[in-house]
Amino acid sequence: GENVEQHPSTLSVQEGDSAVIKCTYSDSASNYFPWYKQELGKRPQLIIDIRSNVGEKKDQRIAVTLNKTAKHFSLHITETQPEDSAVYFCAVIGGGGGNKLTFGTGTQLKVEL
Amino acid sequence: EPEVTQTPSHQVTQMGQEVILRCVPISNHLYFYWYRQILGQKVEFLVSFYNNEISEKSEIFDDQFSVERPDGSNFTLKIRSTKLEDSAMYFCASSETGRNTEAFFGQGTRLTVV
Repeated sequence: GENVEQHPSTLSVQEGDSAVIKCTYSDSASNYFPWYKQELGKRPQLIIDIRSNVGEKKDQRIAVTLNKTAKHFSLHITETQPEDSAVYFCAVIGGGGGNKLTFGTGTQLKVEL
Repeated sequence: EPEVTQTPSHQVTQMGQEVILRCVPISNHLYFYWYRQILGQKVEFLVSFYNNEISEKSEIFDDQFSVERPDGSNFTLKIRSTKLEDSAMYFCASSETGRNTEAFFGQGTRLTVV
């Protein structure tokens, strides 16, 4: 089955700096790559997603890049703010015809003042 | 904005008891899912459901688990005989279509087995 690895597990940045989180996946037929933000005790919330026919997508301070050849995708957050502090999960829908999300192990992002 | 709703928000049960977790997916969505998240760990897929039948399930979803859509709005997860290791946050999700579309998550049910 699909295997998703996520790095780093924790990330601490100063307010205003950029943060980058990376994920790799194993199934070359995977074609949907969402990123979720989860605050403590709350549900995962989609913040951005990308499909396999696109290499990059941006939404204000958040961007995602996809390298299908290398089977990795990254989340970029610019001008970080304290409210960006949360756990971020990448996820993948594999190419096997199903529609389950396989999640990465999560990155605890802390934005310090 | 429509959202997935789950009840109860927290359930405490004794080991060996049956529990039913309830979900109301977004009304025009066709695909329904259950995921679980053990405290401090990643979100794990349990089962997907479409057209009144299970379309996919994980190794976690063994004979102790079952899902049902008893009416036009509810989607339930039953655990027949709970174990301590079933303690987790259980998230219901739904999506409009299956492939490459956003899955909307409910707020979760925290299940504590004692």
